[in-house]
Amino acid sequence: AQKITQTQPGMFVQEKEAVTLDCTYDTSDPSYGLFWYKQPSSGEMIFLIYQGSYDQQNATEGRYSLNFQKARKSANLVISASQLGDSAMYFCAMRGFNTNAGKSTFGDGTTLTVKP
Amino acid sequence: EAGVAQSPRYKIIEKRQSVAFWCNPISGHATLYWYQQILGQGPKLLIQFQNNGVVDDSQLPKDRFSAERLKGVDSTLKIQPAKLEDSAVYLCASSGEAASSYNEQFFGPGTRLTVL
Repeated sequence: AQKITQTQPGMFVQEKEAVTLDCTYDTSDPSYGLFWYKQPSSGEMIFLIYQGSYDQQNATEGRYSLNFQKARKSANLVISASQLGDSAMYFCAMRGFNTNAGKSTFGDGTTLTVKP
Repeated sequence: EAGVAQSPRYKIIEKRQSVAFWCNPISGHATLYWYQQILGQGPKLLIQFQNNGVVDDSQLPKDRFSAERLKGVDSTLKIQPAKLEDSAVYLCASSGEAASSYNEQFFGPGTRLTVL
């Protein structure tokens, strides 16, 4: 079984500041991937960043970085220098590659609001 | 490269009626996913296909929902009969081999279903 928990229903951040969105996961799969997606009010699902369970370094993509702590089963998303366009729903997701055969599981999301 | 196509974009039906959604994944993508996203929640995986075989359908309400992926390309998701609680956005996504390594999911625009 797989489970993703996002404990922050809503977050506020001042423009140009950094913000961390929390994600914890649970899986019995020895090999898995962790993903973050952004969903603006338009409804499209936009891929942001990926972290593999065996990756030695934390993933980074532009202003997005993933703070991966395997022992604590957490995969927090850090957005640096927030912009007004970052206001959206953010989802953490995982996929197990062995026993879960690639099954995909999403959390319930965090709504981020960037204040000018 | 063309993205994931879905139709229709919107559908309004009365309860107990039937409805069908269509998805055309990105060319060459082996894995196809159908998600149900209720307002304010994360996407819930309904069914996952690898080519034209089912990888996971544990959360598909099989008494009323059915899905098929003929020839490992296009897919249809059907609800018969619909209930009020089926009102949601139905998202289709596709990716490469899901169970072997990192492969980003590409999402379609979704179909917004309203059951009255």
